[in-house]
Amino acid sequence: GEDVEQSLFLSVREGDSSVINCTYTDSSSTYLYWYKQEPGAGLQLLTYIFSNMDMKQDQRLTVLLNKKDKHLSLRIADTQTGDSAIYFCAESLTGTASKLTFGTGTRLQVTL
Amino acid sequence: DTGVSQDPRHKITKRGQNVTFRCDPISEHNRLYWYRQTLGQGPEFLTYFQNEAQLEKSRLLSDRFSAERPKGSFSTLEIQHTEQGDSAMYLCASSTAQMNQPQHFGDGTRLSIL
Repeated sequence: GEDVEQSLFLSVREGDSSVINCTYTDSSSTYLYWYKQEPGAGLQLLTYIFSNMDMKQDQRLTVLLNKKDKHLSLRIADTQTGDSAIYFCAESLTGTASKLTFGTGTRLQVTL
Repeated sequence: DTGVSQDPRHKITKRGQNVTFRCDPISEHNRLYWYRQTLGQGPEFLTYFQNEAQLEKSRLLSDRFSAERPKGSFSTLEIQHTEQGDSAMYLCASSTAQMNQPQHFGDGTRLSIL
């Protein structure tokens, strides 16, 4: 079955790197996504990675995928107060081409 | 590119009333999705359309829920005889029809049932 898990909370100091982790159970995942949600708002797509890739970098964001362990991480370099939000990991599965299955989200708190 | 637009942003209603939400997708996106997000949880898939055809519905979509996309552009989600458990954020997303193209979300409609 589909199950995506994330830790609930992460606190980092401004300027440090943040690493948000996600594990998934379905080996037929094709794409894995990271979304950001600020209070009262919808989800903002940050980045996504195809399951045959190991890494993707986009400015301050680095995504690492360990397909053997079904582990996905999002690293934010030089974390800023504006990065404070909830971060969701999501997967789409081979053959569905439609719905996303989301984790419960990780709340990132950036302190001064 | 104006993004996905949802209306209203907030809806407060009494239990038992009917409510309808609207979603306008990004133009030229022929796929449209509805999700529900309760407090402290990630979004859960409800249904999706390709053009005007409703291709998949979740078991979360009870008989009181109906979604339409009559002309393949905007979509409406109606909830009849609302219950307190319907209180949630209802999110709409759109994408192109290419395999696994990312979904872009609107800001959602927050529904509160009194």
